[in-house]
Formats: sequence, C-alpha cells, structure tokens
Amino acid sequence: GESVGLHLPTLSVQEGDNSIINCAYSNSASDYFIWYKQESGKGPQFIIDIRSNMDKRQGQRVTVLLNKTVKHLSLQIAATQPGDSAVYFCAENKRAGFQKLVFGTGTRLLVSP
Amino acid sequence: NAGVMQNPRHLVRRRGQEARLRCSPMKGHSHVYWYRQLPEEGLKFMVYLQKENIIDESGMPKERFSAEFPKEGPSILRIQQVVRGDSAAYFCASSKLTDRTSGANVLTFGAGSRLTVL
Repeated sequence: GESVGLHLPTLSVQEGDNSIINCAYSNSASDYFIWYKQESGKGPQFIIDIRSNMDKRQGQRVTVLLNKTVKHLSLQIAATQPGDSAVYFCAENKRAGFQKLVFGTGTRLLVSP
Repeated sequence: NAGVMQNPRHLVRRRGQEARLRCSPMKGHSHVYWYRQLPEEGLKFMVYLQKENIIDESGMPKERFSAEFPKEGPSILRIQQVVRGDSAAYFCASSKLTDRTSGANVLTFGAGSRLTVL
C-alpha cells in the first residue's frame, strides 16, 4: 500500500559540495526517465531526462546516470547552491504510456550556506 | 508565454460539496495531464486528455471524479461529493507532442491547486 505520512529522505549538504540523489525505479520495461525539482508550493520543474539507450547524460551542473542492470538512477548536482534546496523526484515512463509518468517518493535536498 | 495556469490555487470545501479545478495549458500545447500529490509523496497520474477527448483515465477513481478538455476553454477536473481523502494538491501539465523520443514532449507543470476538504 501507499506510505502516507512518512517523512521524505533528506540529504543535507554544504554550499559548494557536490550532491548525489539516488532513485530505484520499478519497471524494467521503462525506457525514459526524468528528474524533476519541486520547490515548496510550486509544481515540478524539469531538470534533465535520459533514455534507456544511454547510461549518462550531462546538463548544466547536473548529470544523470542510469544503471539498467540494477534499475537505478542518480542525479548529480555539482557545486550545490542554496537555490538548489528542494524536493527532487525521479519519474519513469513505461512503454505503454504517453507521458503517463510514474514518480518516485522524492528526496529533500537541504543546502546550507 | 504564461506557462501552465491553474486556478484556484487554494480551494476549501466541506464534505459533500463539489470541487472544480481549472487548467489552461501552455500556448501551443494540446495535450493535458492531471496528477494528484498527497503530502510528502510523489505525483500520481490521473488522466490524459487532448481537445475533446479523454485518452487515458486509468489513474482516476471511477466514481465522483471526471475530467474534460473542451474545444474552447480550460481543462476542468471535477470532484463531486468531496471527502476528506480528496485533500491533496492537484497538478496539471501540458505537452506539445506525444512522441516520447522528442524533447518537445517534456511535460510542463502548473503550480497546482491545493484542495482542502473540511
């Protein structure tokens, strides 16, 4: 069943450190993965995506790594800034869906100055 | 480009009342999705619509919930006879295409409508 009311896992880092947020996905048939950032009171904001035929993709200060063998996804944020503080969600798109995304439970990132 | 616009941002209803949430997609987007988020949880897919058509409503409860995206005007998510368990944030997202291999298919989310049922 759903885990209602549990606190989100939290990652606390210092400004300037590199952050790594991990996600285990559920469906080996998923072929498209996305990381979203959600600030308090706002909707999810797209960060970076990756298709299953890749194992790494880089953006500005962010890198996504995909390990299909163990169904694991990670988001690396370089030189973390206080503005990066938010909840980060991974999402997977199964082949049968359009953008019928399945979201993970999220990780809260807290960045201290 | 105003982005995805949702209103109201906050809505309070008593049990048994109706809630109507509205979503205007980004300009040029013809695909609308509704997701629900409970506190401290990820978003859960509810329904996918194109203009005048429901494409996939597999995530929507069979009773009390309905969605539409008319030819003119915003998409509407309607919840009849609300119960306390309906309290959540409801997010609308829009996209331009259905081609999942294209970056243009990325969903853009609105700021959400937060429903509180007393």
